[in-house]
Amino acid sequence: DGGITQSPKYLFRKEGQNVTLSCEQNLNHDAMYWYRQDPGQGLRLIYYSQIVNDFQKGDIAEGYSVSREKKESFPLTVTSAQKNPTAFYLCASMTVGPVNTGELFFGEGSRLTVL
Amino acid sequence: DQQVKQNSPSLSVQEGRISILNCDYTNSMFDYFLWYKKYPAEGPTFLISISSIKDKNEDGRFTVFLNKSAKHLSLHIVPSQPGDSAVYFCAANNNAGNMLTFGGGTRLMVKP
Repeated sequence: DGGITQSPKYLFRKEGQNVTLSCEQNLNHDAMYWYRQDPGQGLRLIYYSQIVNDFQKGDIAEGYSVSREKKESFPLTVTSAQKNPTAFYLCASMTVGPVNTGELFFGEGSRLTVL
Repeated sequence: DQQVKQNSPSLSVQEGRISILNCDYTNSMFDYFLWYKKYPAEGPTFLISISSIKDKNEDGRFTVFLNKSAKHLSLHIVPSQPGDSAVYFCAANNNAGNMLTFGGGTRLMVKP
């Protein structure tokens, strides 16, 4: 089955610790994205990557880092510099090209709780 | 500056009636619009979309209307069912980039 797999689904972290959220896709999509959702709020873009070995900051990149060493993988690290990391994190991917509808495919999400 | 806005954070509708979810945008470069549905603790799933060259797109119980002059779109669900209870996000794309801009979402509750 083609899709996006995020892990872990639930993660607890102590303050001051870095954590890495995994995102893998087998849809052969070029572009991958990380969003954050807070209760009662919309989806805010953290980072995105449109090609391997390249990525750009989104609207709320401070305290986060990413890498894109493989087309299939786009891990997100939540660093201790992120002031309020407790949230629901969503990874997504999209095909790019001349016929691009802009439809994002999302993973199931990872809920991070800082204790 | 929110380029895509969903001004109603929640909406409650009786089963069988029509649900109308609204979305406004400010960027005239947006040319493709999408609606996503999200259940708690799950990722959003694509529901329906519309290109700016159309003013209506229909898929079963779901219809999206686009009013470009007013920079407004709406999602109609008829008839509403309890399983439609979810958060609905409006999103816009300018196709010059590969980036969706999302609204804040509207929580729809369909009461039996």
